[in-house]
Amino acid sequence: EADIYQTPRYLVIGTGKKITLECSQTMGHDKMYWYQQDPGMELHLIHYSYGVNSTEKGDLSSESTVSRIRTEHFPLTLESARPSHTSQYLCASRQTGTNNSPLHFGNGTRLTVT
Amino acid sequence: KNEVEQSPQNLTAQEGEFITINCSYSVGISALHWLQQHPGGGIVSLFMLSSGKKKHGRLIATINIQEKHSSLHITASHPRDSAVYICAVSRGSQGNLIFGKGTKLSVKP
Repeated sequence: EADIYQTPRYLVIGTGKKITLECSQTMGHDKMYWYQQDPGMELHLIHYSYGVNSTEKGDLSSESTVSRIRTEHFPLTLESARPSHTSQYLCASRQTGTNNSPLHFGNGTRLTVT
Repeated sequence: KNEVEQSPQNLTAQEGEFITINCSYSVGISALHWLQQHPGGGIVSLFMLSSGKKKHGRLIATINIQEKHSSLHITASHPRDSAVYICAVSRGSQGNLIFGKGTKLSVKP
């Protein structure tokens, strides 16, 4: 059973719309991540967070923004969706430091921008 | 050259065969992760290891820190093992993960 939840699972939206992809985890993990993955390709880190009020851009440049107001919640927002944003977006979390834990992934959001 | 290299890129096996997927890395790490991604897209963490060997059911993961190499073995493979297997390494307790490109495994009945 998933301890990290993403909604929506699928989203089809028109160009120019603002969208927010939701991600929540119930494990109290400090570190959270957003990855982008095109079909058959590897994961690319677009944002991460060390904890509340901490957000950083990842290795892949992205027009999206994130926030971390609560430990369990790490939403990703696209202010104006474009067809180039069509992809799968995967949220993940883990506990770092002395209680280092494996990475837990959500089921992903498949975004299509028409 | 990628910091994490996996081989083979693609692997087809017959049901029941013993399978080995390899991962080599070129950086100092605090842990190595093996992940499984099914065609539906969900990713599951199989192992996190920093030394030695771990076993879970038919899956075995080993790591050799001196040689910077890890292997994932699947014994008595089954069609439900068909998935992409991803190796990733973390650098330091706070470090982000560096991913390999994955190995696509297809097990035929």
